[in-house]
Amino acid sequence: DVKVTQSSRYLVKRTGEKVFLECVQDMDHENMFWYRQDPGLGLRLIYFSYDVKMKEKGDIPEGYSVSREKKERFSLILESASTNQTSMYLCASSSGQGFFKSYEQYFGPGTRLTVT
Amino acid sequence: GQSLEQPSEVTAVEGAIVQINCTYQTSGFYGLSWYQQHDGGAPTFLSYNALDGLEETGRFSSFLSRSDSYGYLLLQELQMKDSASYFCAVSPRWTARQLTFGSGTQLTVLP
Repeated sequence: DVKVTQSSRYLVKRTGEKVFLECVQDMDHENMFWYRQDPGLGLRLIYFSYDVKMKEKGDIPEGYSVSREKKERFSLILESASTNQTSMYLCASSSGQGFFKSYEQYFGPGTRLTVT
Repeated sequence: GQSLEQPSEVTAVEGAIVQINCTYQTSGFYGLSWYQQHDGGAPTFLSYNALDGLEETGRFSSFLSRSDSYGYLLLQELQMKDSASYFCAVSPRWTARQLTFGSGTQLTVLP
């Protein structure tokens, strides 16, 4: 079974702090994604990566950066946390091999981040 | 940009059939996917349609009409465990098959 793990289930940080959210997948997937989920807004794509050291902006990249130094690990960085970044953050991965497999994303359990 | 519309809530009784609609407007289109998310859980993949027509997987089916920019998820023989949020998602670009999600439909199954 594909397993996507995230470093923390709950996190509380102060405004202005630098925050690191880590995601690890164990299925050798090429693609990795970071989303935030807010009530009534669904899942919104922040950044994604299709290879080591390769990244692209999603729909809401402002205030975030990412790092992918190893294939299995994708980190989301909040350079200076703000209260409007309080949210559920979900990491996902998908295979880059095969037409249909590449459309199936596997999600981690999420990190509920509160910025006070 | 991309936008997807789906109903915010649907209620049905156990054993019934329910259809969750999704209409989309995207600058590019490489398929429509559906995901299920139980309260407190992670989204899980249900289905993907690249071409027009109906795809069936057990009690769940998904339909796509590209000319109408419309799709739906059909759930048959509803069970209590089907109570969850259901998200449609489009792939607007080829790169990494990235997804743009709708805001979700909360399905409540009543006994």
